[in-house]
Amino acid sequence: NAGVTQTPKFRILKIGQSMTLQCTQDMNHNYMYWYRQDPGMGLKLIYYSVGAGITDKGEVPNGYNVSRSTTEDFPLRLELAAPSQTSVYFCASSYAGANVLTFGAGSRLTVL
Amino acid sequence: EDKVVQSPLSLVVHEGDTVTLNCSYEVTNFRSLLWYKQEKKAPTFLFMLTSSGIEKKSGRLSSILDKKELFSILNITATQTGDSAVYLCAVAGVYGNKLVFGAGTILRVKS
Repeated sequence: NAGVTQTPKFRILKIGQSMTLQCTQDMNHNYMYWYRQDPGMGLKLIYYSVGAGITDKGEVPNGYNVSRSTTEDFPLRLELAAPSQTSVYFCASSYAGANVLTFGAGSRLTVL
Repeated sequence: EDKVVQSPLSLVVHEGDTVTLNCSYEVTNFRSLLWYKQEKKAPTFLFMLTSSGIEKKSGRLSSILDKKELFSILNITATQTGDSAVYLCAVAGVYGNKLVFGAGTILRVKS
């Protein structure tokens, strides 16, 4: 049982480049989330989804986009990378909203 | 806006000590409070609390919620070096589909 799988684990981007962080879960969870974690700042919600075709903004959505075409996948897109987006990104899922989250292993992104 | 404040931000203790971590919150129509442990990787779930005054316990860890005073504590007794981690507190409101996290408490247990 894989749980929540994120790729890539590490990535270095140049300012202005774009990329997609992939997230897939095999638990048939309806709810999926993207968080970013900066040192000493806890987890900040970027976007979340309550089901296929439905997405909503979290606390810090600027500079990101998401889509949810299937229950399993919830990719996070960075269109024009900026140094402020250097962070560790976590994807998570849950069966019900705001319930116990299962997290992926994280993706460390550096923008230079 | 929902808000979670954890204290202390960090602490260092010796093996065998008992520690208490604090989490205070402001949330519209509170539904649940969760504690997670994070050791250099993804957070792992510890407890979910929904009712005031009922202690949740797992081995040396325990947690309790006070809905009147809007806070929760996480206790760790007889600490071990393996308890060194960041402990995160998160809350959810009845009408929300998301958790709001605090900044975390960094715990370091020295041998």
